[in-house]
Amino acid sequence: EAGVAQSPRYKIIEKRQSVAFWCNPISGHATLYWYQQILGQGPKLLIQFQNNGVVDDSQLPKDRFSAERLKGVDSTLKIQPAKLEDSAVYLCASSHPTSGTDTQYFGPGTRLTVL
Amino acid sequence: AQSVAQPEDQVNVAEGNPLTVKCTYSVSGNPYLFWYVQYPNRGLQFLLKYITGDNLVKGSYGFEAEFNKSQTSFHLKKPSALVSDSALYFCGVREAGSYQLTFGKGTKLSVIP
Repeated sequence: EAGVAQSPRYKIIEKRQSVAFWCNPISGHATLYWYQQILGQGPKLLIQFQNNGVVDDSQLPKDRFSAERLKGVDSTLKIQPAKLEDSAVYLCASSHPTSGTDTQYFGPGTRLTVL
Repeated sequence: AQSVAQPEDQVNVAEGNPLTVKCTYSVSGNPYLFWYVQYPNRGLQFLLKYITGDNLVKGSYGFEAEFNKSQTSFHLKKPSALVSDSALYFCGVREAGSYQLTFGKGTKLSVIP
């Protein structure tokens, strides 16, 4: 079974530029998550989708971050404009939804450096 | 609000010795508890989880964890450490009825040959 795919693996941009990340979840997984992992910290949930609907985006900085999952499969996360503090690894995860006991499976992440 | 504490930033253990990585949690209701491992430049890899039932949970690569409700702990253990176990370990908690999984800040495990 193929895992969660993410691209690009690395991205370097200047502050105030925009950037987009792509995620393809495990086949059949209806729930998709985007996490931000700052160096030295645990992952922090940014947004969670169930199919193509948003379940939780309470920690997403909506003034600059946006995410979509138009067809309930692939997802993109965008930052516009980027700030220095956005430098982090952005992790995508997916799960087969049940009642909250489901296991999340993570992709390799995209390491973003904002200069 | 749910939270996780991993009190040790780093744990050093000699190869062949038992290892323990500590985790305590705080939730209002029943907890679902998870352990993940992260190798350099890789995503998080699932090790094990506690949902209900037996307090001792067995997972991948010989790891196990014990759920202790009275101490609100879920420590990760392995009887005999391998050098290849050296990595970053994350404990996570999700309160029953909540969709959000909250992670601790991680513990770096170094197994010394």
